[in-house]
Parts: sequence; C-alpha cells; structure tokens
Amino acid sequence: NAGVTQTPKFRILKIGQSMTLQCTQDMNHNYMYWYRQDPGMGLKLIYYSVGAGITDKGEVPNGYNVSRSTTEDFPLRLELAAPSQTSVYFCASTSDRGTYEQYFGPGTRLTVT
Amino acid sequence: KNEVEQSPQNLTAQEGEFITINCSYSVGISALHWLQQHPGGGIVSLFMLSSGKKKHGRLIATINIQEKHSSLHITASHPRDSAVYICAAPKYSGGGADGLTFGKGTHLIIQP
Repeated sequence: NAGVTQTPKFRILKIGQSMTLQCTQDMNHNYMYWYRQDPGMGLKLIYYSVGAGITDKGEVPNGYNVSRSTTEDFPLRLELAAPSQTSVYFCASTSDRGTYEQYFGPGTRLTVT
Repeated sequence: KNEVEQSPQNLTAQEGEFITINCSYSVGISALHWLQQHPGGGIVSLFMLSSGKKKHGRLIATINIQEKHSSLHITASHPRDSAVYICAAPKYSGGGADGLTFGKGTHLIIQP
C-alpha cells in the first residue's frame, strides 16, 4: 500500500513551458486535492475532486488545470509556466467516510525561471 | 469561509520543555486537523478532533468548540519533535470534503 505518490520530486521549468504533475493513490479514496505551499504561507487549495469525472476550483486555480478520469489518478497541468508558480505542490486524498483525514503525497518542488 | 490563525509562528525550546501551540478558527466545524511537516517536507496527519482531547504518545490535542480554539501540546519535548506543526480546518462549516484551510504553521526547534 503505497498511499499517495507524486512525480516528479523536483522540476525546473522555463517561463512559458508546460508540464503535468502526476498524483496517484491506491487507497480507493474518492476525494483528492492539489495544494501549493509557498514560503511563510499556509497551504492553498488549487483544485479538488470528489470522484472520477468531477473536479472543482479551489482558492488559487488560475494557471492550472486538472482532470480525474479514474479514482486513482489526479494529474495537475501547468500551462504557460510563470515565476509565480514556483512553489511546492502537494497532492492529498481522503476517504468520504466521515473523518476526512487527509493523506499527503511527498510533494513536488517546482522552480520556474 | 474559515480563517485559521496559529501562534506562535516560531518557537525554540530546550529538550524536556512542555510545548504549547495554539490555533483559532472562525467558522464552526465538525473536526479540526493537526499536521506535522518534517524538515524533509513530508506532511502527516497527527490528529483530527471534534471535541475534548486526544493523546498520542507525548502529543496531546485539545479543542474548545464554543471558543473555536484548539491547542497542541508536546510533553517532555525532544529534538526529534523539531518540525513545522500545522493546524487546518474545513474550508466551510462541515466536514471538509471540499478542502481545508490551513494555518501558516509553527516552526518548532527543540535544542538538546
């Protein structure tokens, strides 16, 4: 049981490039989330999904897109990367059975230069 | 939308000291989360509590629903407790299916 896995761990992008951050969970959780963490700030919700085929915007969705074609996978797409997207990105999942305890992936550190 | 405030932002203490980290939130919720982020960056859930007190080893979390306030205590602190401790609450009243609002974290350093 690997929990929540994210790839890559680190990435450097040039301004204007695009990339996809991968997130997979093997706990059969319906709810999945993408957060970003900037220095000195709390984690901010980018997008979330309550099940396959359903996604919704969080607090800071601009510049990002998501899809949820399966229960296991929740990729985050960055189009036209900007320096403001330099951050650490965490994927998380939780069961829909009451407690909403969140399980986090190890994070992806992204630098846009 | 919930607002979450934590204090202190930074705390340095000597090994063995009793540690208290405070968290307040603005909207009534069903459960409050305490998380730990290690220097390597990984985030793990420590506690979720909706009332009273929970204990896990040397860590104790309490919550006062009426005052919208929670505390995380560490007894007999040890250098391995050095980490960032994060308080989080559901974005809106309810369980948090649509995500959490996080405090900025408390950076704790325990010196030998």
